Amino acid sequence: DQQVKQNSPSLSVQEGRISILNCDYTNSMFDYFLWYKKYPAEGPTFLISISSIKDKNEDGRFTVFLNKSAKHLSLHIVPSQPGDSAVYFCAASESDYKLSFGAGTTVTVRA
Amino acid sequence: GAGVSQSPSNKVTEKGKDVELRCDPISGHTALYWYRQSLGQGLEFLIYFQGNSAPDKSGLPSDRFSAERTGGSVSTLTIQRTQQEDSAVYLCASSLMRGASYEQYFGPGTRLTVT
Repeated sequence: DQQVKQNSPSLSVQEGRISILNCDYTNSMFDYFLWYKKYPAEGPTFLISISSIKDKNEDGRFTVFLNKSAKHLSLHIVPSQPGDSAVYFCAASESDYKLSFGAGTTVTVRA
Repeated sequence: GAGVSQSPSNKVTEKGKDVELRCDPISGHTALYWYRQSLGQGLEFLIYFQGNSAPDKSGLPSDRFSAERTGGSVSTLTIQRTQQEDSAVYLCASSLMRGASYEQYFGPGTRLTVT
């Protein structure tokens, strides 16, 4: 039973435009959310996180938005760059170390 | 400094054989995790080690799976009598301390194919 869902398996965006990745969750006990980025043949690397007490966290070109009432979070990348082409995983935690991951969204940034 | 390393990077085995996967975490990291990613799926938590505490094995899918962490450092994940559904990428991660706010650093994974 998948508690974290990324319903878009892929996203194609032009360089310089905004990429918006979406993630939905079902467990209302989740209180910490993360995005990971993965290149082929490498392990995922941490990108950005947000606590449930916030609704927005920004780090450079990356912003994560959390809507707790809708159990929805999104990652905005602006402007998108070719090096952003990767698989992005949404993950969530219930105040502990266990992370529940979505299936990932493959982002392709077109020149 | 060195990141998390895993070996082998690829493993092809026949159904019914046992396999051992190795993980070398970042030095000084007390927490170590094993995940697996099956085709088209997200990462699935398998097991967690924290210092000398008893591991959290709640994610292990069957008793064919076991893991140990020796000396608080290197970990091995063992799958006995492998089945085709065990085919996946097995990822190891380590973090400085316990807790979701402590970044988990992942290794490159071991791709296991059971024929």
